Amino acid sequence: AQTVTQSQPEMSVQEAETVTLSCTYDTSESDYYLFWYKQPPSRQMILVIRQEAYKQQNATENRFSVNFQKAAKSFSLKISDSQLGDAAMYFCALNAGNMLTFGGGTRLMVKP
Amino acid sequence: SAVISQKPSRDICQRGTSLTIQCQVDSQVTMMFWYRQQPGQSLTLIATANQGSEATYESGFVIDKFPISRPNLTFSTLTVSNMSPEDSSIYLCSASQGNYGYTFGSGTRLTVV
Repeated sequence: AQTVTQSQPEMSVQEAETVTLSCTYDTSESDYYLFWYKQPPSRQMILVIRQEAYKQQNATENRFSVNFQKAAKSFSLKISDSQLGDAAMYFCALNAGNMLTFGGGTRLMVKP
Repeated sequence: SAVISQKPSRDICQRGTSLTIQCQVDSQVTMMFWYRQQPGQSLTLIATANQGSEATYESGFVIDKFPISRPNLTFSTLTVSNMSPEDSSIYLCSASQGNYGYTFGSGTRLTVV
């Protein structure tokens, strides 16, 4: 079985500041992928960033970057220069063995 | 990446009736998935739908309650049968893009009264 844990139900950040969302996971698979999804009130699930487990280099997409610690099974998301439009639910997800498992989500609030 | 059109976007239904949710993908995909999401909570996988075979259901979900069709590589439907207020939720479909992640429909907000 595989699990994904997001220990922060809610986070708050000041506009233009940086925030880090935490995620830990567990899987017995050696080949897997990790994702962060954003879900705004529109309900649309939007892929923010992906990380291949076999790559040591941390993925980066513009203001979004990850800190992937494979040994610790940790996959945190850093959002730099936070914008009001970043306010949403963020889900960490693990894809292993053709199965996608989601964490419980973190609600991010951005203060103007 | 693939784009999924999901409809209806929302519906209010009477208890005891059934609702069929449709998802159309703009490209061929092997695996499609159906999720349920309670407001403010995470996604729970209902079933995996592969073309040409019966859907595989997760624990707690049964075919009689959530029949799924997958007639071709671009389309799938989920029916919520004999609805009760406990079925009120958001339902999302998804398609696997291989190692590039999963694409999601925009969700169906179902309210059963």
